[in-house]
Amino acid sequence: GQNIDQPTEMTATEGAIVQINCTYQTSGFNGLFWYQQHAGEAPTFLSYNVLDGLEEKGRFSSFLSRSKGYSYLLLKELQMKDSASYLCAVLDSNYQLIWGAGTKLIIKP
Amino acid sequence: NAGVMQNPRHLVRRRGQEARLRCSPMKGHSHVYWYRQLPEEGLKFMVYLQKENIIDESGMPKERFSAEFPKEGPSILRIQQVVRGDSAAYFCASSPQSRENTGELFFGEGSRLTVL
Repeated sequence: GQNIDQPTEMTATEGAIVQINCTYQTSGFNGLFWYQQHAGEAPTFLSYNVLDGLEEKGRFSSFLSRSKGYSYLLLKELQMKDSASYLCAVLDSNYQLIWGAGTKLIIKP
Repeated sequence: NAGVMQNPRHLVRRRGQEARLRCSPMKGHSHVYWYRQLPEEGLKFMVYLQKENIIDESGMPKERFSAEFPKEGPSILRIQQVVRGDSAAYFCASSPQSRENTGELFFGEGSRLTVL
């Protein structure tokens, strides 16, 4: 079966750094996405990785290791508005997006 | 440039009734996806459509559920004879290119169906 694993919930402090991990087992791989979803709102795109390595975009970075079936999202200089769920999704060999259940990130002052 | 528009945002139905959820993709987008999300669970793919064509409906339940994306007008997800287990948030997403081109998806804010 296909599986995406990420922690259910994480807590971090405003101004700090947090790393959200995602591991996957899928039938094929055509890239990995990270989306942010505030409660009751639409998911919004954060990043896409298809090659190994780190992609940096402002305060957010995403890393991929295809051989390990592993990715992480790194958030720096955390702000209260970063409190949200972070969704990891993998595009499988049929170009279907397989989604993790999301990691709820709680930022404390 | 309006984003993906879904309506209704909230819908309450009694068991056995029909639910119709509408999705207008972003301007210029001809590819539409429907997903279902249960509390504390990930998004589950239901169907992928292009204008007037169903490309992939492998995530759709075989009975009671149908989807369309006509040449004119919004995409519609139709659930007939709803049951309590259909209660969920239904998200629509659109893209200007086919999924093989691996672009980002643009999501609507979802339609929350409650079946009494």
